Amino acid sequence: DGGITQSPKYLFRKEGQNVTLSCEQNLNHDAMYWYRQDPGQGLRLIYYSQIVNDFQKGDIAEGYSVSREKKESFPLTVTSAQKNPTAFYLCASTLGETQYFGPGTRLLVL
Amino acid sequence: AQSVSQHNHHVILSEAASLELGCNYSYGGTVNLFWYVQYPGQHLQLLLKYFSGDPLVKGIKGFEAEFIKSKFSFNLRKPSVQWSDTAEYFCAVRRYNTDKLIFGTGTRLQVFP
Repeated sequence: DGGITQSPKYLFRKEGQNVTLSCEQNLNHDAMYWYRQDPGQGLRLIYYSQIVNDFQKGDIAEGYSVSREKKESFPLTVTSAQKNPTAFYLCASTLGETQYFGPGTRLLVL
Repeated sequence: AQSVSQHNHHVILSEAASLELGCNYSYGGTVNLFWYVQYPGQHLQLLLKYFSGDPLVKGIKGFEAEFIKSKFSFNLRKPSVQWSDTAEYFCAVRRYNTDKLIFGTGTRLQVFP
């Protein structure tokens, strides 16, 4: 079954804690992206990666970090520096011009 | 900075009504245009896209969109909506030869039977 998987579906973070959201794709897509979705604000780009071992900041990268050690995987870490982490996080990948999205992870702060 | 505007934040329709959702963008060069839909509890999925050619593009589930270059618009239309069209709709723009999509803020559509 091909596609983009994100885990977990729900994630809870305590104050001061770093958490990592997983994104895996078996579509052999080169580029991968992380977005944050908040009500009334659409999707905002956090980080993206066009090739392995390379990534660029998006529009709201502060408080987040990523790695791209494998083509299939693009994990996102929400650090304690992100003061408002509660949101729905979407991972996407691209082959050509069209982006395809994963099911998302909802992060909640305890 | 490039932006994408969706002026309708929340639209409520009865079944069989016609739908038009507005999308305007601010970039003047060549663009690729997309409409995505997010049904309740489901993935964001591609509804239709425009890259070049015929400015009237047809997508899945009876949706279509028209690219009007002079108006920087890419409005989404459907002649007769169904209850199952209840979802959030996002317009997105990609500047030619770049990797970043710019999304609008989304329009929430509710269709009542």
